[in-house]
Amino acid sequence: AQSVTQLDSQVPVFEEAPVELRCNYSSSVSVYLFWYVQYPNQGLQLLLKYLSGSTLVKGINGFEAEFNKSQTSFHLRKPSVHISDTAEYFCAVKISGNTPLVFGKGTRLSVIA
Amino acid sequence: DAMVIQNPRYQVTQFGKPVTLSCSQTLNHNVMYWYQQKSSQAPKLLFHYYDKDFNNEADTPDNFQSRRPNTSFCFLDIRSPGLGDAAMYLCATSSKRGTNEQFFGPGTRLTVL
Repeated sequence: AQSVTQLDSQVPVFEEAPVELRCNYSSSVSVYLFWYVQYPNQGLQLLLKYLSGSTLVKGINGFEAEFNKSQTSFHLRKPSVHISDTAEYFCAVKISGNTPLVFGKGTRLSVIA
Repeated sequence: DAMVIQNPRYQVTQFGKPVTLSCSQTLNHNVMYWYQQKSSQAPKLLFHYYDKDFNNEADTPDNFQSRRPNTSFCFLDIRSPGLGDAAMYLCATSSKRGTNEQFFGPGTRLTVL
């Protein structure tokens, strides 16, 4: 079975500072990796995904993530955050086929003016 | 725009009074999912439909049922809501082809009085 660990439940950061949200996964087979963002009282919006190929993936809103197979990690980064980036961020994995997503517990990013 | 629609966005019900949440999609996706998300927690999969095939998660309470009358619509029925069922309920869809990326609706926030 797959599992996802997001080590940081909350990350406060000042506006215009860089941020990294950590995600590690466990799986005995190849996985697809996703980052979703959730604003208050909203559904989940896809930020970016890793399917195959280049390990550096660029997403929306200036976010990027790097897949590291040896460390089983898929950390999310942004070089300069804005107040509007304040939200909950979920890392998720799924294996090939039609299995559902497995989510991490989420990281709440709070951007401070 | 193709999308996943959930109605209503906010639902209030009384303890023990049956309630139905609805989800519709214009993506023509084969797979539809229902997740329960409690405050500050990751979404928890309740069940999913692969075409007409119903797949229930082992720990989903019997109180929760689902119907999918056609490709576009899926319903979540809570037969006797308890206070612990208050949560955000998220509907998602994916295609059985390709990477199976999931597209989420905006969610329905259920309050149980």
